[in-house]
Amino acid sequence: SQKIEQNSEALNIQEGKTATLTCNYTNYSPAYLQWYRQDPGRGPVFLLLIRENEKEKRKERLKVTFDTTLKQSLFHITASQPADSATYLCALEGNNRLAFGKGNQVVVIP
Amino acid sequence: SQTIHQWPATLVQPVGSPLSLECTVEGTSNPNLYWYRQAAGRGLQLLFYSVGIGQISSEVPQNLSASRPQDRQFILSSKKLLLSDSGFYLCAWSSWTGDSPLHFGNGTRLTVT
Repeated sequence: SQKIEQNSEALNIQEGKTATLTCNYTNYSPAYLQWYRQDPGRGPVFLLLIRENEKEKRKERLKVTFDTTLKQSLFHITASQPADSATYLCALEGNNRLAFGKGNQVVVIP
Repeated sequence: SQTIHQWPATLVQPVGSPLSLECTVEGTSNPNLYWYRQAAGRGLQLLFYSVGIGQISSEVPQNLSASRPQDRQFILSSKKLLLSDSGFYLCAWSSWTGDSPLHFGNGTRLTVT
């Protein structure tokens, strides 16, 4: 069956450090993968898209990698700030739909 | 710029009552529209999507239905709510291109009592 797996445990990280989140998938062959941020009680907000032929994508302090051999994407927040505390969702294309992982919570400690 | 409006923000309804959630999009034409549900501890579940007026695709069989009476209006309905319908309902839109990101509304927190 198809699966998108993100760590269910919250990532607690000291301010200024780099937070790294993992998204693993099974039985998908996505043409692209997206990352979203969700704050409590709000809808997800799109952050980055990376295509299957791209190894890495950057946006300000965010970096995403996509390894189609490992079937994995890594999401990095460099120089993390308390305002980065949120849940981060990966989403990938499958069967012409966008399927989401359950998300991984990040808590940045001042 | 494009905006998406979803209401109400919170709703408490008794079991067996009807439901109507509305979503409208401004600033774009012919968007793809989506209804998702997010239950506690679970991921986003796609319920319905629409690529045009009157065109609705259902992803999960249930007692919910969706309608798109106008290009930028998407409605989620139920004739009789169940306890299991409780959750966080999110409307989203995207452009018609395949890799277009989703733009979500702020959701409706539905509690069925």
